[in-house]
Amino acid sequence: NAGVTQTPKFQVLKTGQSMTLQCAQDMNHNSMYWYRQDPGMGLRLIYYSASEGTTDKGEVPNGYNVSRLNKREFSLRLESAAPSQTSVYFCASARGRSYEQYFGPGTRLTVT
Amino acid sequence: GQQLNQSPQSMFIQEGEDVSMNCTSSSIFNTWLWYKQEPGEGPVLLIALYKAGELTSNGRLTAQFGITRKDSFLNISASIPSDVGIYFCSRGVVKTSGSRLTFGEGTQLTVNP
Repeated sequence: NAGVTQTPKFQVLKTGQSMTLQCAQDMNHNSMYWYRQDPGMGLRLIYYSASEGTTDKGEVPNGYNVSRLNKREFSLRLESAAPSQTSVYFCASARGRSYEQYFGPGTRLTVT
Repeated sequence: GQQLNQSPQSMFIQEGEDVSMNCTSSSIFNTWLWYKQEPGEGPVLLIALYKAGELTSNGRLTAQFGITRKDSFLNISASIPSDVGIYFCSRGVVKTSGSRLTFGEGTQLTVNP
């Protein structure tokens, strides 16, 4: 039981490049979330998915797209990376409508 | 933007000391959760509170849901070096599209052995 896994762990992109961050959970959770964490700003919600086939915007969705591929997987895509998207990205999951979210180890992204 | 005020922003304490941190909101909420994040890791849930006035312990950690429903406190007793990390409060929000959390900016705790 690995919990929430994220790939890659580290990534460096040039401005304008695209990439997809992958997230998978093996806890049979319905809800999945993507956050970004910047120094001194806590965690901010980018997008979330309450169930397979649904996605909704969070607090800071601009510049990102998501795909809930199936119940286990929720990916985050940067179509044209910008330096302002340099951050640590965390994926999380929760059972049903529970508030108790379980986080992955994060992806550290640098955009130059 | 952020609607939670978490304080203090940082704390430097000696091993064995007790620690107290709090989180306040301008609005009433029904759920408070406390997370800990160690360096290079994702946040880990410590305690969840669901009722005003509720006091819940997890080992040396104790958290309380304020009676006004606008604040919460986390106490750590007899701190040890492995308590180092960032502690986040969060409050739950129910939307028609699902449940969400909003996080405070965190309290950075340093414990000197």
